[in-house]
Amino acid sequence: AQSVSQHNHHVILSEAASLELGCNYSYGGTVNLFWYVQYPGQHLQLLLKYFSGDPLVKGIKGFEAEFIKSKFSFNLRKPSVQWSDTAEYFCAVNPPSATNKLIFGTGTLLAVQP
Amino acid sequence: EPEVTQTPSHQVTQMGQEVILRCVPISNHLYFYWYRQILGQKVEFLVSFYNNEISEKSEIFDDQFSVERPDGSNFTLKIRSTKLEDSAMYFCASTESSSYNEQFFGPGTRLTVL
Repeated sequence: AQSVSQHNHHVILSEAASLELGCNYSYGGTVNLFWYVQYPGQHLQLLLKYFSGDPLVKGIKGFEAEFIKSKFSFNLRKPSVQWSDTAEYFCAVNPPSATNKLIFGTGTLLAVQP
Repeated sequence: EPEVTQTPSHQVTQMGQEVILRCVPISNHLYFYWYRQILGQKVEFLVSFYNNEISEKSEIFDDQFSVERPDGSNFTLKIRSTKLEDSAMYFCASTESSSYNEQFFGPGTRLTVL
């Protein structure tokens, strides 16, 4: 079945550690890709998005993601996390031929220890 | 900064009752969405709405669900006869146009069906 997979459900890091969260999708064709973040008690916010062009996209708060078409992946990275990055991170795909609906992964809960 | 708002933040209802969840999208946005997240599960697309009609709906969005834009600002989700399994967080989202735009999410309404 077509889906979006996030392999890490819960990640615990110390401050200054590097972060990489995996996201894979199983849709063929042209997709638009997103990472959303949900800080504790807040609503979903867009971190970054990829539609076309440079497969390495930069988002807010020092996050970046790389689209690798051959691997159907869109992994999120940050070289040095901070305590304030503690949140839940969702990968989402806007699949082809859809009316802009988003298909979400299961989310990764990141806890950054000071 | 404009934002999507949702009311109520928490709704408790008895099984079989009708509920209406309300959303006020960002004022110049044209496309509206409802998603839900059952506790511990992924965020799931329910329905998209444009130009006063449903443009796409998921399998979840059966005859018990309906959406409406009763005036120029509100966007509502009605569940006619709630079931226990409707208990979830319901998110409203809006976007300015159908392409290359992020969806802005509201804070969600937590629906508890007893």
